[in-house]
Amino acid sequence: SSELTQDPVVSVALGQTVRITCQGDSLRGYYASWYQQKPGQAPVLVLHGKDNRPSGIPDRFSGSSSGNTASLTITGAQADDEADYYCNSRDSSTNQWVFGGGTKLTVL
Amino acid sequence: QIQLVESGGGVAQPGRSLRLSCEASGFSFATKGMHWVRQAPGKGLEWVAVISYDGSGKYYADSVKGRFTISRDNSKNTLYLQMDSLRSEDTAVYYCAKWGLAVSLDFWGQGTLVTVSS
Repeated sequence: SSELTQDPVVSVALGQTVRITCQGDSLRGYYASWYQQKPGQAPVLVLHGKDNRPSGIPDRFSGSSSGNTASLTITGAQADDEADYYCNSRDSSTNQWVFGGGTKLTVL
Repeated sequence: QIQLVESGGGVAQPGRSLRLSCEASGFSFATKGMHWVRQAPGKGLEWVAVISYDGSGKYYADSVKGRFTISRDNSKNTLYLQMDSLRSEDTAVYYCAKWGLAVSLDFWGQGTLVTVSS
């Protein structure tokens, strides 16, 4: 089955820019979606498609993709952005969805 | 507003069964695919299963194939997950989520905890 790889831990200074990456073969066929999860809460979709933010998601969140790698960029990170971030995609050969292992973002 | 409310979680012994439900409101349930996703304690998200808007297409993670069955009742705006032959590794919070654009899951319930233990 398909896999998506994320760095387990990333940190960023308050107000700085951080990029969280996601790698996997399934990303050659589909754009990744990205989710933010805070402790004790359900995940929230923050990006989907090429670079689309659902209503209510701040514009400091943006996305990009190249080959088998997708990236979530937070420009001007805020304390409220401290959370776990997950990417997901779909394996077109099996019609199975897959999540990355998650990245714990710390805002210093 | 869109709401997804899971129920049916609890404690089950290994080898036994549980059925989860997810009641949807605030959108046209019968026109949207739906997913189940789980999260073991302290671990990441694991996709479990997806069902098409009319129930004709169902796909499962390898870890649950042959043991779990996803289904839906569009007349009741409800999604189900029948979990048979439960194992300790099935212990997790189970979320239902609405299939959004492309591969995204755009709305999630608050989850229901399933504990498999003797």
